[in-house]
Amino acid sequence: EVQILETGGGLVKPGGSLRLSCATSGFNFNDYFMNWVRQAPGKGLEWVAQIRNKNYNYATYYAESLEGRVTISRDDSKSSVYLQVNNLRAEDTAIYFCTRSRIPDYWGQGVMVTVSS
Amino acid sequence: DVVLTQPPVAQPVTLGDQASISCRSSQSLVQSNGNTYLEWYLQKPGQSPQLLIYKVSKRFSGVPDRFIGSGSGSDFTLKISRVEPEDLGVYYCFQGTHDPYTFGAGTKLELK
Repeated sequence: EVQILETGGGLVKPGGSLRLSCATSGFNFNDYFMNWVRQAPGKGLEWVAQIRNKNYNYATYYAESLEGRVTISRDDSKSSVYLQVNNLRAEDTAIYFCTRSRIPDYWGQGVMVTVSS
Repeated sequence: DVVLTQPPVAQPVTLGDQASISCRSSQSLVQSNGNTYLEWYLQKPGQSPQLLIYKVSKRFSGVPDRFIGSGSGSDFTLKISRVEPEDLGVYYCFQGTHDPYTFGAGTKLELK
């Protein structure tokens, strides 16, 4: 069974940083691209970032609205993917979902990030 | 960025009737390899989104055959025949053809 679990959310002050983690199991992690998608309270979905697998040289892609402030990374030995977000703003307040595959097929339950002073 | 337009914001429906949700892209979603990465998701209240349809018309594992995706180029439709209570929620289209990837704003399927 595919399992995806995000951790690392919480309350952060504007200008602060956060590193979200996503632990996975139930599939061969090395074979898959991974994504982060976020959803602000009461709003729609926003794709944030993708990291490809070793076959694609771990290429990364980012939403333009966040580029320069976010870094996606992965550790295949731990079947985990990470999202580092810097210089956090109020508009980054959202649930952050970790999703599997180029076409996001399996999703975690999400982790809440609140940016507020 | 590719803009996906999903009118209307809300679509009232009667249980048992057919529903049709549209998604229009600001540019063609056909990739150079011939694939069209247009997907449909349903998000029920308090839940994570779930994949229904991928590559325009392929049903994801376990998705009932009353969900039918169609379209080409920049114009796509999700049809739900015989709407059931568990089909209510917000439907999002998503394009994974052009970087950066984007979602539509969503169409809420609600009871009339």
